[in-house]
Amino acid sequence: QVQLQESGPGLVKPSETLSLTCTVSGGSISSYYWSWIRQPPGKGLEWIGYIYYSGSTNYNPSLKSRVTISVDTSKNQFSLKLSSVTAADTAVYYCGRLLFPYWYFDLWGRGTLVTVSS
Amino acid sequence: QSVLTQPPSVSAAPGQKVTISCSGSSSNIGNNYVSWYQQLPGTAPKLLIYENNKRPSGIPDRFSGSKSGTSATLGITGLQTGDEADYYCGTWDSSLSAGMVFGGGTKLTVL
Repeated sequence: QVQLQESGPGLVKPSETLSLTCTVSGGSISSYYWSWIRQPPGKGLEWIGYIYYSGSTNYNPSLKSRVTISVDTSKNQFSLKLSSVTAADTAVYYCGRLLFPYWYFDLWGRGTLVTVSS
Repeated sequence: QSVLTQPPSVSAAPGQKVTISCSGSSSNIGNNYVSWYQQLPGTAPKLLIYENNKRPSGIPDRFSGSKSGTSATLGITGLQTGDEADYYCGTWDSSLSAGMVFGGGTKLTVL
């Protein structure tokens, strides 16, 4: 079955750029929307943005100025870049598959904790 | 502060029934499908209910969803200790700040 796996550094310095990759295995990245969601420690879920396999994107307005999501269909991967990070960006970052236009996440990665600290 | 409003916590005894509410507005719940997610401690969220009231394969019929106007409800019957988790509602918000939105989450305690 289709599985998602996040990867990337677990520690990022303040003001630097957070970079994560989600690898889709067991199925094709094509014809679906793919998303990033984060969860600060002890808090709720926050949607970061999504990308269609063709490359079109939509971002959370509160993060839009700092977020870039890209896709590499040849590697069955999509990626997140979040610039100018602060301690408030410390969170578990999840990748997920978003079913459009029904607006739900049917698949989630296991998540990866990213800590912003010097 | 979340766009969708959920009670912070609910509790009930094993075998009992519990409901979790999710309140929104016409720009989100009122005009879009609602989904529900279960997050067991230390794990990723898992889809429980989609398109307001549908269950993915493998989700027992003890879990149900409904929507009326700008509110949605998750129901769980025959509570088990393994149901102790955080539950989140989610939907699309079509306002000027368009995007996916979630409730703040509800902690279910099975006494």
